[in-house]
Amino acid sequence: AQKVTQAQTEISVVEKEDVTLDCVYETRDTTYYLFWYKQPPSGELVFLIRRNSFDEQNEISGRYSWNFQKSTSSFNFTITASQVVDSAVYFCALLYSGAGSYQLTFGKGTKLSVIP
Amino acid sequence: EPEVTQTPSHQVTQMGQEVILRCVPISNHLYFYWYRQILGQKVEFLVSFYNNEISEKSEIFDDQFSVERPDGSNFTLKIRSTKLEDSAMYFCASSRRGLFFGSGTQLSVL
Repeated sequence: AQKVTQAQTEISVVEKEDVTLDCVYETRDTTYYLFWYKQPPSGELVFLIRRNSFDEQNEISGRYSWNFQKSTSSFNFTITASQVVDSAVYFCALLYSGAGSYQLTFGKGTKLSVIP
Repeated sequence: EPEVTQTPSHQVTQMGQEVILRCVPISNHLYFYWYRQILGQKVEFLVSFYNNEISEKSEIFDDQFSVERPDGSNFTLKIRSTKLEDSAMYFCASSRRGLFFGSGTQLSVL
């Protein structure tokens, strides 16, 4: 069975602080994909990143960075120098390779509030 | 940039009524999906659709639900007889190299 745990329900930071959103996953598959999505107050789901299980290189995209550690089954997301526009719910999701399609298992999400 | 579009953005209906939620996936994508998010909860997979038939479906997707691709561009989700617990945000998505969601339809069943 696939499972994604986002232990942080809500986080508040002051603008310009760095913040890390945790994601821990469970799967028996050796090949799988991990995702992060952003859901701003307007409600849409915005794709941020997809990583496959064979690629453990950390990735940086502007103020966003992702730390994938297979040894701890974690795929954490860091926002550097947070901004008010980063306020949203962030979802981590897992896709196992045995799925015929993108049947993602989502975590419950972490609500990030960036205070000016 | 191509995107998945959904209509309407909000739908209000009476319990027991049929609703059809509409989606236009990204044109060169091959798989289409419906996901659901009950207020304050996580996003849940409902169904995937490929080559004009259902590829996979979850336990949520019971006989009250159906999907259709009536023409070359639209992809619809029908709920035959809505229940109060069907109130949720419904996301359409399509995939090719990654999964891309539409902006959702907020369904309220009264």
